[in-house]
Amino acid sequence: DQQVKQNSPSLSVQEGRISILNCDYTNSMFDYFLWYKKYPAEGPTFLISISSIKDKNEDGRFTVFLNKSAKHLSLHIVPSQPGDSAVYFCAASENFGNEKLTFGTGTRLTIIP
Amino acid sequence: KAGVTQTPRYLIKTRGQQVTLSCSPISGHRSVSWYQQTPGQGLQFLFEYFSETQRNKGNFPGRFSGRQFSNSRSEMNVSTLELGDSALYLCASSYEPGQKNEKLFFGSGTQLSVL
Repeated sequence: DQQVKQNSPSLSVQEGRISILNCDYTNSMFDYFLWYKKYPAEGPTFLISISSIKDKNEDGRFTVFLNKSAKHLSLHIVPSQPGDSAVYFCAASENFGNEKLTFGTGTRLTIIP
Repeated sequence: KAGVTQTPRYLIKTRGQQVTLSCSPISGHRSVSWYQQTPGQGLQFLFEYFSETQRNKGNFPGRFSGRQFSNSRSEMNVSTLELGDSALYLCASSYEPGQKNEKLFFGSGTQLSVL
């Protein structure tokens, strides 16, 4: 039973445009959500997070939106750059922290120059 | 500051064998977690250790085990390997578990292939 779902395995976006990556979850106990980026042959690196008491968190070109009623979050990257090409994982936890994260299956983002 | 170090980088084993993977956390980090990454399944939580004690465990069979040493280094062991155990095994460390907004830092992983 996949509690965190990323329904788009891949996404291609032109350089300079907005990239929107989506994530849905089913467990209403999740209260902290994170996005990780992964390049080939490297481990995932933390990108941005949001707690359930907020509906938006921004960090430079990256913004995460949380819609608790829909159990949906999205990551917006504006403007998209070639270095953003990677696999993006959505993750969630039940305790506002980093313990026992439940990850989605990932979305491969390709930025087209 | 050195990152999370995992050894070996690649490993090939045959069914029925056992394997031990090693993880050295970032200096000063005392919490170590292990995740399995397979195509189509994303990353799945295996277990977490803090101060040499297992704090959390995922839904994996007892063939998967781990431990943490007094210097915070961790090992995980898989016994009686099955073909389905082929995966990238990732280790992550943090200063302490359960801290709000604490980040996890991942190693590059050990790619295990079971033939």
